[in-house]
This record gives sequence, structure tokens and C-alpha cells, in this order.
Amino acid sequence: DAGVIQSPRHEVTEMGQEVTLRCKPISGHNSLFWYRQTMMRGLELLIYFNNNVPIDDSGMPEDRFSAKMPNASFSTLKIQPSEPRDSAVYFCASTPTVGNTIYFGEGSWLTVV
Amino acid sequence: AQSVTQPDIHITVSEGASLELRCNYSYGATPYLFWYVQSPGQGLQLLLKYFSGDTLVQGIKGFEAEFKRSQSSFNLRKPSVHWSDAAEYFCAVVGVGNEKLTFGTGTRLTIIP
Repeated sequence: DAGVIQSPRHEVTEMGQEVTLRCKPISGHNSLFWYRQTMMRGLELLIYFNNNVPIDDSGMPEDRFSAKMPNASFSTLKIQPSEPRDSAVYFCASTPTVGNTIYFGEGSWLTVV
Repeated sequence: AQSVTQPDIHITVSEGASLELRCNYSYGATPYLFWYVQSPGQGLQLLLKYFSGDTLVQGIKGFEAEFKRSQSSFNLRKPSVHWSDAAEYFCAVVGVGNEKLTFGTGTRLTIIP
């Protein structure tokens, strides 16, 4: 079975540009999560969806960040405009049900210069 | 709210030696507990999980962990480490009925010959 698929794997962009990260969860999984990993703050939950509905976005750092899940097989995390402090690894993850194992993608490594 | 503490930032062990990585959690009831491993430049891979039942759980790659309710701990162990075990290890917790996976700050494991 395919795991959680993220794209792009690596992106380097200039400050001020829009960045869109994409995620395809595991088929049949009802919940999807976006995490950010940095040296300073470790792994932080940004937002999660259940049945395509955003449940908790309290971890989204500011209005420059937005996430959508238009259907059960696709989600995006957008940063507009991007800033150097947004440089991090962004992980998407999914789980079939509450309390079950959460499976992670390989991450999108973002560098904003 | 749940939280996880990994008191050891960095541990160095000799190849073939035994290993124990510490994890303490804070939650009002028995949570779901996980250990993930992250190799450099890679995503997070699930090593093992505890939901209920036997408090000693076996995982992949020869790892095991023991849930101790009285100590609010879920320490990871391996009797004999291999050079390939060098990685970052994360303990994580999900509250029952919750979906938010909260990570500890991680323990970096270095293996010396």
C-alpha cells in the first residue's frame, strides 16, 4: 500500500513568494494532520482535519498559513507570503480512526531565502 | 492537555551495548503511547505503540517498551544496539478520544564502535 505522499520533497524559494505543500493521505484514512519540525521548536501540530473538516487549527502560526482539504484524498498547506523563519520540514500524516496509529509522509523540506 | 518529556537530549552508546531511552507523559488517564524513529533526512517511522493490555510491547527492529502507569513512563529499550540504530527517537502521546499526537523533544542516539 502506498503511504502518505507529500510533494514537493524539497523546495527553495525566495522570501515573499507563495509556497504550496501537498499531501495525499493513505486511502481510507479519515484524519489528516500537518506538522512542522524545526530545531528550535521540535515537532509541532499545525492543523488537523477529520472527514475533510478542520478540527483544530490552533497550531497555525499566523494568517500567512492556510490549509485546505477539498476531498478525502488531498490536502494543501499554503504559506503566503513566505518568510525565512518558515524554513522547516513540514510533515503530513494520516490515521484511519481516532486513537489509531498515525502514519507520516516523508516530509517537505522548505527553505526560504 | 497531554504532554511528553524526554529528559535525555543526546545519548551515546557502544555498539552491542544495551539501550534505554526515557519517556514520561502527563495526562489525566491512560493515553495511547508511541515511539517513532527518524533517521537523518527521513520521515518518522513507527517503532511501537501501546493502547491497552500487556504493558510490555514489542516493536520493530528489536525494540520494546514498557508502560508503567505508576511512573507515567513509557521507556524504550533494546538489548543490543546496532550502528544502524543511530537516529532521533521521539516519544508521543494521544489522549483517549483525542486525535492530537503530541511529541516529546526527541533523543538523539549516537552509536560508537
